[in-house]
Amino acid sequence: GESVGLHLPTLSVQEGDNSIINCAYSNSASDYFIWYKQESGKGPQFIIDIRSNMDKRQGQRVTVLLNKTVKHLSLQIAATQPGDSAVYFCAENTPHTGRRALTFGSGTRLQVQP
Amino acid sequence: DAEITQSPRHKITETGRQVTLACHQTWNHNNMFWYRQDLGHGLRLIHYSYGVQDTNKGEVSDGYSVSRSNTEDLPLTLESAASSQTSVYFCASSETRQGTGYTFGSGTRLTVV
Repeated sequence: GESVGLHLPTLSVQEGDNSIINCAYSNSASDYFIWYKQESGKGPQFIIDIRSNMDKRQGQRVTVLLNKTVKHLSLQIAATQPGDSAVYFCAENTPHTGRRALTFGSGTRLQVQP
Repeated sequence: DAEITQSPRHKITETGRQVTLACHQTWNHNNMFWYRQDLGHGLRLIHYSYGVQDTNKGEVSDGYSVSRSNTEDLPLTLESAASSQTSVYFCASSETRQGTGYTFGSGTRLTVV
């Protein structure tokens, strides 16, 4: 697998702390949002998704919050572990553009300190 | 188990050569996508397909082409490789056009020298 050593915003947290990764999306008409995790040498992996008719969705140790008023998405990771170290991307899907493909943000690197 | 595979994992080619990157999925997804990932740009859409014989241009399609002759494969061709096409390429497939069930391959690192 492959990854890119991106010059990304970096969030550094201590193991066991909660992490919050933020994303500003671009299109107010977007109706579906996904968070992906990309570990070194691998392709992006699905974490959690949310539709625009919701403002919060919870998974295992992760919560996604959607604020459509300010076009903001956040990913909260509870009790962060070293295995959470990765690059995190948000992605949005915008209907009625004649295209049904995801648009990705530039990513945030999460570093978990032991 | 169903999967999506890309080959080769690494490729070095010379400027001007034609290069084809393979993408094969066994999810039976109609929707397939090619992205490139570069420093500071995240993932950018190159081409996509909603089914056999259907192909569409994405944001950065210049210099690339795809063909869809069956459900499983969407090969990406660089007609005449340029140094600006040095990148990591990811193929993805999805269950629906809305993006649910979106799954990525492991990527191909292409270097054009």
